[in-house]
Amino acid sequence: DAKTTQPPSMDCAEGRAANLPCNHSTISGNEYVYWYRQIHSQGPQYIIHGLKNNETNEMASLIITEDRKSSTLILPHATLRDTAVYYCIVGDAGGTSYGKLTFGQGTILTVHP
Amino acid sequence: DTGVSQDPRHKITKRGQNVTFRCDPISEHNRLYWYRQTLGQGPEFLTYFQNEAQLEKSRLLSDRFSAERPKGSFSTLEIQRTEQGDSAMYLCASSAGTVATNEKLFFGSGTQLSVL
Repeated sequence: DAKTTQPPSMDCAEGRAANLPCNHSTISGNEYVYWYRQIHSQGPQYIIHGLKNNETNEMASLIITEDRKSSTLILPHATLRDTAVYYCIVGDAGGTSYGKLTFGQGTILTVHP
Repeated sequence: DTGVSQDPRHKITKRGQNVTFRCDPISEHNRLYWYRQTLGQGPEFLTYFQNEAQLEKSRLLSDRFSAERPKGSFSTLEIQRTEQGDSAMYLCASSAGTVATNEKLFFGSGTQLSVL
């Protein structure tokens, strides 16, 4: 059973911020939110993860709502190379999942010139 | 900075033949994973190793599939008597396996298998 819900596709203009939503209403207290992306013909690439605080790294920002039932991945200045499938995953770091990620179908983000 | 490497990148075989794929994880990563991905779907977990021990196998991994990780370094995934339904991208990933990084996996580029 999918633990997350994402829109199937989104568009974004190059240079603008891309905001990718994810719903995880059944997330439990010890589960993290992870984001991966997969560019065509490559393996998935880790982007960012968080538990309840907002997180930022060199690739993106992750905003998690206070009730933790949803989150948004933000790519601040999208480029054409950000065109990819973006996966939102919940996982129990340190628990029983041991890196056994359950991927859904993700959101296809297309960045337009 | 060497990432996860997989060999071959592409494999075309005839139904009924055996195939073997190799994965070299990031050095010192003690966890290694195999996933399978079909067109239009997200990757699906197959199995994982902690060092040389295979600790979990998905029910997707039929008895025609076998994976090994001798000495806890590289891993091989063998498919015997291939079927057309085995056609997929086979992805390998590794992680440092600490509590903080359990789900921070580094994936290879995969082996694309086509069974004719």
